[in-house]
Formats: sequence, structure tokens, C-alpha cells
Amino acid sequence: QQQVKQSPQSLIVQKGGISIINCAYENTAFDYFPWYQQFPGKGPALLIAIRPDVSEKKEGRFTISFNKSAKQFSLHIMDSQPGDSATYFCAAPYFNKFYFGSGTKLNVKP
Amino acid sequence: DAGVTQSPTHLIKTRGQQVTLRCSPKSGHDTVSWYQQALGQGPQFIFQYYEEEERQRGNFPDRFSGHQFPNYSSELNVNALLLGDSALYLCASSFRQGAVSSYNSPLHFGNGTRLTVT
Repeated sequence: QQQVKQSPQSLIVQKGGISIINCAYENTAFDYFPWYQQFPGKGPALLIAIRPDVSEKKEGRFTISFNKSAKQFSLHIMDSQPGDSATYFCAAPYFNKFYFGSGTKLNVKP
Repeated sequence: DAGVTQSPTHLIKTRGQQVTLRCSPKSGHDTVSWYQQALGQGPQFIFQYYEEEERQRGNFPDRFSGHQFPNYSSELNVNALLLGDSALYLCASSFRQGAVSSYNSPLHFGNGTRLTVT
């Protein structure tokens, strides 16, 4: 059973636009909800994370919105830049065991 | 400050062979987790080591085994390799010290070992 479902699979955005990636989860016991960014040939790197008692968290151009009742959370990238082109993964840890979404490949066009 | 280092970066093996991958955690970290990332997929949890013991295990067969050494470094061993084992194997470290939640000590990933089984 897939614990975390991520969409879309791929996304093309113009420079300066807003990129939105969504995730849905099943297990209400998940501890917190991080997003990871992965460039080709590199391992995933933590981008931003949110706890379930908070509805929104913003760090620079990156914002997580969290909807506990719907069991969904999303990543918003404001003013998207070509350097943001990467694959993004949502994740949810349960007692330090991380479940990852299937990934969204973002391409920001100059 | 060195991050998580993995070796080798690439490896080609034949079906039925055995392979050992190595990982050195980030300085100050005591917990090592291993993930398998198939092409175009998210990482899948294999297992986690803390205090030289396997603490948690994902849905992987016994062909996958590991070890953690007193200096916190770790090895992943895969026996009787199958074509389907071809993937990027990622090591991630964190500072656990018995904590239930990793929120204050998130995972730091290495750049992985690309294993190709022919």
C-alpha cells in the first residue's frame, strides 16, 4: 500500500510563476511532513518541513500548506527560477522510517 | 564538515553475485538508514541501524543485510543479485540518540551508489 501519494508526476512552469506539488497520506500517525529536493546525480536534500499542528510554513520562496482533515499537504514555490528545476519528493516519517512520494519532476522554463 | 559519503559511486555486477556498499555518516550523527531508489521513483526504506543494531526494516527480503560499526559507519550487503536490484542505493544519517521523532534531526542523504545488475 502506498503510504504517500504525490502529484503531478511532472510540471512545467515559466520563470517567475508558481509551482504547486501535492501529496496525500493515509497514516494519521505520521510525525511531520518534509519535502526533499533532488538534482540529477545527487541525493535528496531537505527543503522544508511542517508539523501537523501547523497549517502553513514559509521559508523564503518555499511554502508548505497542510490540511489535516483532508490528509493532504502541498509545496508552493513562488517566483520559480530555472535553478529550481529538480525532482521534488514529499515524505512522511513514522518512528524514523520515512515513506516517500513517487516524485515530481519540475522544469522551470527561462 | 564532511556530509554523508558513500562508496563506490558506481558498480556493475552480474546476476547471482554479492555486493557490499559502504557509508560514512555526517559528523555527529549516530543513525544510518539505507534506501533503494529505482529510476523515476521515490526512495524506498530498506532498514535503519542505531547502536550497531538493526532497528527497523522495510519490505525487503533477507538477501538485503547490513551492519553498523562502532564509528557509526555502515555497510549494506545484497546477496544473490537479481536484475531488479538495479537501482540507486542511498545512505542517510541522522542524530537519533533514542528520540522517537526525527523532526529536529532530519535525514541527510549521501549521493548514492548506482548499482547495475546485468
